[in-house]
Amino acid sequence: QVQLQESGPGLVKPSETLSLTCTVSGGSVTSYYWNWIRQPPGKGLEWIGYMYHSGSGNYNPSLRNRVTISVDTSKNQFSLMLSSVTAADTAVYYCARGNALDMWGQGTMVTVSS
Amino acid sequence: DIQMTQSPSTLSASVGDRVTITCRASQSITSWLAWYQQKPGKAPKLLIYKASSLESGVPSRFSGSGSQTEFTLTISSLQPDDFATYYCQQYNTYPLTFGGGTKVEIK
Repeated sequence: QVQLQESGPGLVKPSETLSLTCTVSGGSVTSYYWNWIRQPPGKGLEWIGYMYHSGSGNYNPSLRNRVTISVDTSKNQFSLMLSSVTAADTAVYYCARGNALDMWGQGTMVTVSS
Repeated sequence: DIQMTQSPSTLSASVGDRVTITCRASQSITSWLAWYQQKPGKAPKLLIYKASSLESGVPSRFSGSGSQTEFTLTISSLQPDDFATYYCQQYNTYPLTFGGGTKVEIK
């Protein structure tokens, strides 16, 4: 059974870069598209972007100039970097598989605050 | 971006009720629509993909229908475990976009 697990700092200072990693177990990152989605407290879901192991991907235009998603096949992981964060980036961040998102990590809360 | 509009935003219902949630897309997405259930503090769970295909392990009381711009999620007989928030999501075009959610509450 495929499992996804997010990891990374729970607190990031304004203007710094948020970095998260999703570890995939029970399956290979060389299959499927791998996504990041976020959910601000009490609000709905926002898709951040996806990456395929080949390097092809797509980002939400609302975040495109600040976001990078990469896939590390040697570690069976994929990562999110979001630069120049503000309080508006405070959210639960999820990693998920596919286009119909059939597998999700449990989510990790990231707070942007000084 | 394709806008996804769900209605209602909140729904009060009783155990055993038949419940229908509607999702409208701002342009045609053919059948590239998914439905998710989310409980507090948990990740969303895929229920339906390709508008009407039931994800493995999901109870048959859940069903989806529609195409192009109009879609529905139906719960044929609401169970206590079904009180949650439901989201639709289109995957016809990037960026992927979600509806605003429908919270199903106990009446």
